[in-house]
Amino acid sequence: AQKVTQAQTEISVVEKEDVTLDCVYETRDTTYYLFWYKQPPSGELVFLIRRNSFDEQNEISGRYSWNFQKSTSSFNFTITASQVVDSAVYFCALSDRTNTGNQFYFGTGTSLTVIP
Amino acid sequence: GAVVSQHPSWVICKSGTSVKIECRSLDFQATTMFWYRQFPKQSLMLMATSNEGSKATYEQGVEKDKFLINHASLTLSTLTVTSAHPEDSSFYICSARPTGTGYSPLHFGNGTRLTVT
Repeated sequence: AQKVTQAQTEISVVEKEDVTLDCVYETRDTTYYLFWYKQPPSGELVFLIRRNSFDEQNEISGRYSWNFQKSTSSFNFTITASQVVDSAVYFCALSDRTNTGNQFYFGTGTSLTVIP
Repeated sequence: GAVVSQHPSWVICKSGTSVKIECRSLDFQATTMFWYRQFPKQSLMLMATSNEGSKATYEQGVEKDKFLINHASLTLSTLTVTSAHPEDSSFYICSARPTGTGYSPLHFGNGTRLTVT
């Protein structure tokens, strides 16, 4: 069965600190995609990144970086030098070939608060 | 590109009335759209998959007569909460991806906050 676990419910950091959000997933499929979305207090969901199961290369985009490790079924997200605007709920999600890839399995989210 | 517009952003209605929420893909066609529900401080729960030209597919436990879904065109899906009750108060979010793009990211609307009094 598919499952996404975000063990950290809430995290608070002081501005400029680095923070890592954990994501562990389960799937029996060998072809799948992993995503991170950001949900600021306004409510909309903002797409951040997509990785496929065949590409374990880590990715960096500005202050954001992602570490994908198939050996541990993890797809962790690090924000470097955090800013107040990073305060939001972050969701990790998995999509595999079940239901032709239409089904997104979301984690329970990690609420990040960056304190000025 | 790939903008999803959801309307209204918030609505307050009286118990027993019905509320319609619209979800439009503004710059792409979407054969399939998805409706999620989110309770405070919780994750997104998939309610149903809206299919253009055919019936929606509802997740287990979601009342299809309560949450009517109509996918009238390739750019519009509507969710109608019928005979709303206070327990239907929630944040409803629609999402879509361009038709034929497989595992591409879902693009989400801004959500509708429904309050039933």
